[in-house]
Amino acid sequence: AQSVTQPDIHITVSEGASLELRCNYSYGATPYLFWYVQSPGQGLQLLLKYFSGDTLVQGIKGFEAEFKRSQSSFNLRKPSVHWSDAAEYFCAVATNTGFQKLVFGTGTRLLVSP
Amino acid sequence: DVKVTQSSRYLVKRTGEKVFLECVQDMDHENMFWYRQDPGLGLRLIYFSYDVKMKEKGDIPEGYSVSREKKERFSLILESASTNQTSMYLCASSRASSYNSPLHFGNGTRLTVT
Repeated sequence: AQSVTQPDIHITVSEGASLELRCNYSYGATPYLFWYVQSPGQGLQLLLKYFSGDTLVQGIKGFEAEFKRSQSSFNLRKPSVHWSDAAEYFCAVATNTGFQKLVFGTGTRLLVSP
Repeated sequence: DVKVTQSSRYLVKRTGEKVFLECVQDMDHENMFWYRQDPGLGLRLIYFSYDVKMKEKGDIPEGYSVSREKKERFSLILESASTNQTSMYLCASSRASSYNSPLHFGNGTRLTVT
């Protein structure tokens, strides 16, 4: 069965510094990969997704992620973090079920220090 | 803009009560989902539906049932609430056409069972 691991529960980054959130997946075939963000008191919002093609994908709010098949990873990056990026970030994988059943990681909470 | 509306933001119920969580989407989406979100566990799929009157069990369906009588509405039912069902419940919807259709989430219902 597919699974997603986000090894960092919390990460603190200074405003203006770069960010990388780690995500590793387990799935035998080519995965469909997603990053979602959840701001306090809100539902989840899609940041970006990877289905095929270019392994570096661009998303909203200046985020990008790189798919590395050899490492089974899909890490999320941002070159310069803003205070408004403080939120919880979820990596997810979908399989070829046709119904977009996502399996989510446990999330990484990002704290931004002044 | 897609809107997924969950009828209650906060709900407090007693053990043994029958609880209804309601979700309505306004974009004519075929797929609808119920997840529960717990700290350290991420999001786990309870049930999903890909058409009116159709339902499929997710990863943790025990103690829950669902109803989808109209395309826009998907209800989660706790037949006899228990304290271990205290959690944040998130509803989501998506178009069935392809993986390019992301999940759209509501803002969640925080349920406390006492």
